Amino acid sequence: DAGITQSPRHKVTETGTPVTLRCHQTENHRYMYWYRQDPGHGLRLIHYSYGVKDTDKGEVSDGYSVSRSKTEDFLLTLESATSSQTSVYFCATQPQGMRQPQHFGDGTRLSIL
Amino acid sequence: DAKTTQPPSMDCAEGRAANLPCNHSTISGNEYVYWYRQIHSQGPQYIIHGLKNNETNEMASLIITEDRKSSTLILPHATLRDTAVYYCIVRVVGGGADGLTFGKGTHLIIQP
Repeated sequence: DAGITQSPRHKVTETGTPVTLRCHQTENHRYMYWYRQDPGHGLRLIHYSYGVKDTDKGEVSDGYSVSRSKTEDFLLTLESATSSQTSVYFCATQPQGMRQPQHFGDGTRLSIL
Repeated sequence: DAKTTQPPSMDCAEGRAANLPCNHSTISGNEYVYWYRQIHSQGPQYIIHGLKNNETNEMASLIITEDRKSSTLILPHATLRDTAVYYCIVRVVGGGADGLTFGKGTHLIIQP
């Protein structure tokens, strides 16, 4: 959807290791978002970006950092992964302008053992 | 704090219209109603949004009551592929970046 590619699609890693998830878009949308989805919870916002090098925290940002060095890429980093960060991670993009909807990627399933 | 209320699950026969209700009694004048759906293991898919007028697109129709306290998403001819969790979201629209607040949604099951 909206030319969004998330990589990797699946990852298994160990507690304490760093992990970086990538979101790549081809639509030149200004805004980008990272969400996580866990059983019993809806999608929750981790971080978002409102332009290159401009980012802000969301509802569940502890333990995560992000970077956006160019329009098309938004990286989510877990500096030292914990088992509580086992989740499905979704990236979304949104064009600038009133009432524009967000469009989502297909997710990354991350398991931390 | 939930801003919308949806039934947890609904069934609908294939080929019939699926009508999914949403209550948003505390909606503000500058909040739109958005609908998304999530088919198992996929990312949420945008369906439709509206402010106060009824809206229709190739996927669905959105009916918003005159007092804007509730709305109904209508899938006119449901197919098995419409089985999904449907989320009703209210969102302030100011043209900037803002996260969506997802509730638990309605699990719509289309029966053959």
